[in-house]
Amino acid sequence: DAGVTQSPTHLIKTRGQQVTLRCSPISGHKSVSWYQQVLGQGPQFIFQYYEKEERGRGNFPDRFSARQFPNYSSELNVNALLLGDSALYLCASSLSDLRDGRYTFGSGTRLTVV
Amino acid sequence: AQTVTQSQPEMSVQEAETVTLSCTYDTSESDYYLFWYKQPPSRQMILVIRQEAYKQQNATENRFSVNFQKAAKSFSLKISDSQLGDAAMYFCAYRSAESRFQEYGNKLVFGAGTILRVKS
Repeated sequence: DAGVTQSPTHLIKTRGQQVTLRCSPISGHKSVSWYQQVLGQGPQFIFQYYEKEERGRGNFPDRFSARQFPNYSSELNVNALLLGDSALYLCASSLSDLRDGRYTFGSGTRLTVV
Repeated sequence: AQTVTQSQPEMSVQEAETVTLSCTYDTSESDYYLFWYKQPPSRQMILVIRQEAYKQQNATENRFSVNFQKAAKSFSLKISDSQLGDAAMYFCAYRSAESRFQEYGNKLVFGAGTILRVKS
């Protein structure tokens, strides 16, 4: 089975531009979460989606949005990019079972805003 | 809100020796999960070990074990017989098990991480 796949792996954008990051979860996983990891810090929760509906949102501005598709893949969109949006963006997938409690992460997309 | 604190920004260990990474957390919940994740330079977060709060027994995975002290809200990771491949950033993380997942989801709350260096 393939793991969590994210694309692209690296991205350079200019301030003010928009970016779309993509994530495909492990087969059978219905929940996808997005995290932002600034260099030298722990990941911060951005969004969680389950069955195509938003189930949680972190403390991020409205410039950040996401969606989940019928095949459970997901996109994270960031509008009006700021220099501070430069980070590693991680996607994690999990089973819907609350008692499982495990997340599997992708290798992330490194976004650089110049 | 839950918080996770890792007070050791960096640790070093000699190959084949034992090292312990510290983690404390704050929560008012009684049912939750705690995790240790490893992040090597390849960037992918790799699950090292998982502890369920309602289980008294400390989790063990080969050379990795935890010391879970629920009353003290402490969750340390012990790595025995350290290997060069253990060098990485280690993150402690918390996840609630009390929320109704299908309605509210459950996020991971991470600490700031500890860089582990292994010397040969």
